[in-house]
Amino acid sequence: DGGITQSPKYLFRKEGQNVTLSCEQNLNHDAMYWYRQDPGQGLRLIYYSQIVNDFQKGDIAEGYSVSREKKESFPLTVTSAQKNPTAFYLCASSLGGGTAYGYTFGSGTRLTVV
Amino acid sequence: AQTVTQSQPEMSVQEAETVTLSCTYDTSESDYYLFWYKQPPSRQMILVIRQEAYKQQNATENRFSVNFQKAAKSFSLKISDSQLGDAAMYFCAYRTSYDKVIFGPGTSLSVIP
Repeated sequence: DGGITQSPKYLFRKEGQNVTLSCEQNLNHDAMYWYRQDPGQGLRLIYYSQIVNDFQKGDIAEGYSVSREKKESFPLTVTSAQKNPTAFYLCASSLGGGTAYGYTFGSGTRLTVV
Repeated sequence: AQTVTQSQPEMSVQEAETVTLSCTYDTSESDYYLFWYKQPPSRQMILVIRQEAYKQQNATENRFSVNFQKAAKSFSLKISDSQLGDAAMYFCAYRTSYDKVIFGPGTSLSVIP
């Protein structure tokens, strides 16, 4: 079955470490997105990519980086510059950047700073 | 900038009854898309229903329907015959012309047996 796979499900980061969250899709979707979810704040857009080798900053890109070397993969790196990284991270994809049809979401990664 | 507001942080409904979740948004665009997403305790986001702004007819998906008032910039979700499995966070979302989707803060729905 087609879908989006996020890994790991839980991730713990020490202060000053960079960590990478994986997002893989087999839906043949062109566009992929990373959102951060904090309690009471809904979802906030970190980065998005509408095509391979191209991506744009979202509303809260500081302290994060991404790459899009393959259509099916859009990993997110949380760098040490992100001062408050503890949150739930959701990856999503959509057909041809046409989000009029809505997103398909992964099951998320819970990141905790220890 | 576009914003999405959900004024009810928490709602509850008796099983088999009907509940309406509110959503308002702010935009200067004339053509856009609106969505309702459901996030159950598993935290898997699920698309419930979508509405195209240029269509006056309200969207319906089985027990879920919307009341879309374009002039008032209102997009409420009605759940009929509520079931225990409807208990979840519900997010209203707006798709901008720049292909980004903006989410509201969410409404937590409880279903009472």
